Amino acid sequence: EAGVAQSPRYKIIEKRQSVAFWCNPISGHATLYWYQQILGQGPKLLIQFQNNGVVDDSQLPKDRFSAERLKGVDSTLKIQPAKLEDSAVYLCASSLIGVQGGFFGPGTRLTVL
Amino acid sequence: GENVEQHPSTLSVQEGDSAVIKCTYSDSASNYFPWYKQELGKRPQLIIDIRSNVGEKKDQRIAVTLNKTAKHFSLHITETQPEDSAVYFCAAKTSYDKVIFGPGTSLSVIP
Repeated sequence: EAGVAQSPRYKIIEKRQSVAFWCNPISGHATLYWYQQILGQGPKLLIQFQNNGVVDDSQLPKDRFSAERLKGVDSTLKIQPAKLEDSAVYLCASSLIGVQGGFFGPGTRLTVL
Repeated sequence: GENVEQHPSTLSVQEGDSAVIKCTYSDSASNYFPWYKQELGKRPQLIIDIRSNVGEKKDQRIAVTLNKTAKHFSLHITETQPEDSAVYFCAAKTSYDKVIFGPGTSLSVIP
């Protein structure tokens, strides 16, 4: 079974630039999560999709972050414009609906200079 | 809102000793509790989980216990080995699939 795919793996940008991350979940997983993990902290949920609908985006900074999951499969997360404090690893995870843990992708390490 | 607390934040044990990490959750509707292990520079990996209708689950050297009344759950690692050194995260999943993570416990197993 193929795992969660993410790209790019690393990205370095200057503040005020834009950046986009891509995630392809495990086939058949209806739930997709984007997490932000700052060094030394636990993953913080940014947005959760179920199929192509948003279940929770209460912690997404909507003035600069946006995400979509067209057709209920792949998802993209965008930051525009980036700030220094956005430097983190962005993790995508997917799961079946119900009592199952999320399976994580390798993450994208973002550095904002 | 929903919250998961985790203690201790750091834990050092001698190889062969046991390690216990404790978590509490706030949302009484949570029905599923996974535990993740994250090694330095790697993604979180699911190591064990427990559902709300079960009080205890064991898998070789690791076990989880759940007290729904007190909203507590714990991870127990016995006969610790150096390769158990990592950051461990507990999490709670609500009835609508939202997963909230604890802040993590950095476990060091000293050979």
